[in-house]
Amino acid sequence: DSGVTQTPKHLITATGQRVTLRCSPRSGDLSVYWYQQSLDQGLQFLIQYYNGEERAKGNILERFSAQQFPDLHSELNLSSLELGDSALYFCASSVATSGENEQFFGPGTRLTVL
Amino acid sequence: TQLLEQSPQFLSIQEGENLTVYCNSSSVFSSLQWYRQEPGEGPVLLVTVVTGGEVKKLKRLTFQFGDARKDSSLHITAAQPGDTGLYLCAGDPYNNNDMRFGAGTRLTVKP
Repeated sequence: DSGVTQTPKHLITATGQRVTLRCSPRSGDLSVYWYQQSLDQGLQFLIQYYNGEERAKGNILERFSAQQFPDLHSELNLSSLELGDSALYFCASSVATSGENEQFFGPGTRLTVL
Repeated sequence: TQLLEQSPQFLSIQEGENLTVYCNSSSVFSSLQWYRQEPGEGPVLLVTVVTGGEVKKLKRLTFQFGDARKDSSLHITAAQPGDTGLYLCAGDPYNNNDMRFGAGTRLTVKP
């Protein structure tokens, strides 16, 4: 158990819909990272927040957005869903903001878009 | 094209065999990380290598960072079924917290 929690574990929805994925970091960790993992693309970095502020952006689509709240939990919002958005979405947390810091990954949310 | 190329993509061996997997790039990294991911779970960090030429050992696992800091290898001695999993290398090539992962090597160790 990494100490990072993600909900829901599974999500099935239809194209065009909007979903919200939730992540609670390890106690004391200020950084939250979001990743997408699909069979053909591997693990792709989406976005990072540090203490409530956006710190780094990766391959995140404009249809996707995220935020980190004062209690440090984070949400990833995916809208106008397409079939290709079906993937595992992981949240990770770390103590500080450097990319070299150990990241602790949650169990992931499996999103299926039908 | 992946920034970090991992090889082989798949590896299936018998218990007790040795193996080496590779992580290569044309970019220089200040550090590289190795993760192992089991089905249905998130990746778990195994090691971070920081200095060019560095060798780190973790029980039967030996990690090496290339002298030029463009590549890394993971050697497993006397593999066990518990070593089965997806091995990922990762790094932040632009030092801007944009972590890049390789596609991984999927290792199966048969009893």
